[in-house]
Amino acid sequence: DTGVSQNPRHKITKRGQNVTFRCDPISEHNRLYWYRQTLGQGPEFLTYFQNEAQLEKSRLLSDRFSAERPKGSFSTLEIQRTEQGDSAMYLCASSLVPGTGNGQPQHFGDGTRLSIL
Amino acid sequence: QKEVEQNSGPLSVPEGAIASLNCTYSDRGSQSFFWYRQYSGKSPELIMFIYSNGDKEDGRFTAQLNKASQYVSLLIRDSQPSDSATYLCAVNLNYGGSQGNLIFGKGTKLSVKP
Repeated sequence: DTGVSQNPRHKITKRGQNVTFRCDPISEHNRLYWYRQTLGQGPEFLTYFQNEAQLEKSRLLSDRFSAERPKGSFSTLEIQRTEQGDSAMYLCASSLVPGTGNGQPQHFGDGTRLSIL
Repeated sequence: QKEVEQNSGPLSVPEGAIASLNCTYSDRGSQSFFWYRQYSGKSPELIMFIYSNGDKEDGRFTAQLNKASQYVSLLIRDSQPSDSATYLCAVNLNYGGSQGNLIFGKGTKLSVKP
């Protein structure tokens, strides 16, 4: 069972540039989630997909952020016109689809650490 | 505003002792509860989940849930220096599977002294 894979592991870019991150979930997981984590904070939800459908977006996901999961497998998260405040660890997680009762555990990738110069 | 509260610590315990980590949550609709361990510079690693009131044990870890008090805890028995990490509590509303995201606390930093 290969886990959640994220690329790149680190990204350093200048303010104003665009960046794109990729996430490959655990193969049998239909749900894919993006979170952002800054120092001293817990992960904050950005968006999630069930198969190729984007089902929910947080208000943290400004117009400069876009996420896709075109074939229901891997996902990309793009940030346009990056700002200093975008510096964070971007985490991807995947899970099975929850039932009507309980949630399914989410398993995280190693994350992409973004630094804006 | 849905919130998950944890004492940020650091919580310091001697090796071999029981470490007790606590978490409260604000939304009574919370259905599922998760504990993640996060080493410095690494991503969160799932260690326990619990859905029903009471205790759930897995090796040295015990998760405890009290929905009436909106309280969930994690006990680590026979604490080891390798348990030193930040422990994140997360809750999930999951009304009929329609809400998928986890709401995390800020985490409690645990330090186990040899």
